[in-house]
Amino acid sequence: EAEVAQSPRYKITEKSQAVAFWCDPISGHATLYWYRQILGQGPELLVQFQDESVVDDSQLPKDRFSAERLKGVDSTLKIQPAELGDSAMYLCASSSRISGATDTQYFGPGTRLTVL
Amino acid sequence: GESVGLHLPTLSVQEGDNSIINCAYSNSASDYFIWYKQESGKGPQFIIDIRSNMDKRQGQRVTVLLNKTVKHLSLQIAATQPGDSAVYFCAETWGNKLVFGAGTILRVKS
Repeated sequence: EAEVAQSPRYKITEKSQAVAFWCDPISGHATLYWYRQILGQGPELLVQFQDESVVDDSQLPKDRFSAERLKGVDSTLKIQPAELGDSAMYLCASSSRISGATDTQYFGPGTRLTVL
Repeated sequence: GESVGLHLPTLSVQEGDNSIINCAYSNSASDYFIWYKQESGKGPQFIIDIRSNMDKRQGQRVTVLLNKTVKHLSLQIAATQPGDSAVYFCAETWGNKLVFGAGTILRVKS
């Protein structure tokens, strides 16, 4: 069964350092999402890509966060500099239909970030 | 999205009993709803979905009910098993976004 891949699974960093997370969506899925999930809460959307283009980054803190999907396949989410409040699970999801949210999103295992 | 911090509601059921997890959604214009299961340290796993032109949909051991009048969604799990223990999230569409509700912890007692 096809799955969304993410790495690393765990990341510990000190505040002010830079971190990067990688996601490989299910093959053929045009839409890719990055979510942040704080412990005890549901995931919240950070950015949505349609192929290589950003569709929605309204909730992405652009002063420190950046995301790219250069070839429309895998994607990288970067935080620089990391702050204590960035400690969370970062989830990647993908879906196949161009219209995005009306199609089922499948999630990867996530990257657990701890900022010390 | 909804936020309840660390104090998620908890449902404890005996193994073999049926479970019902409830969710109130916000947007009367939402047309697509999904239930996800999330085990500790893992990403959300798709369970079942339903579109707004339906009021019931059944899967294997799971049933989703949608009541648009009161904006209520429920997930029924038949013959609950220890492997069903997890946090369950409902999600609704807001425009082109998927918005997650507060989760519910399901604990299955053997």
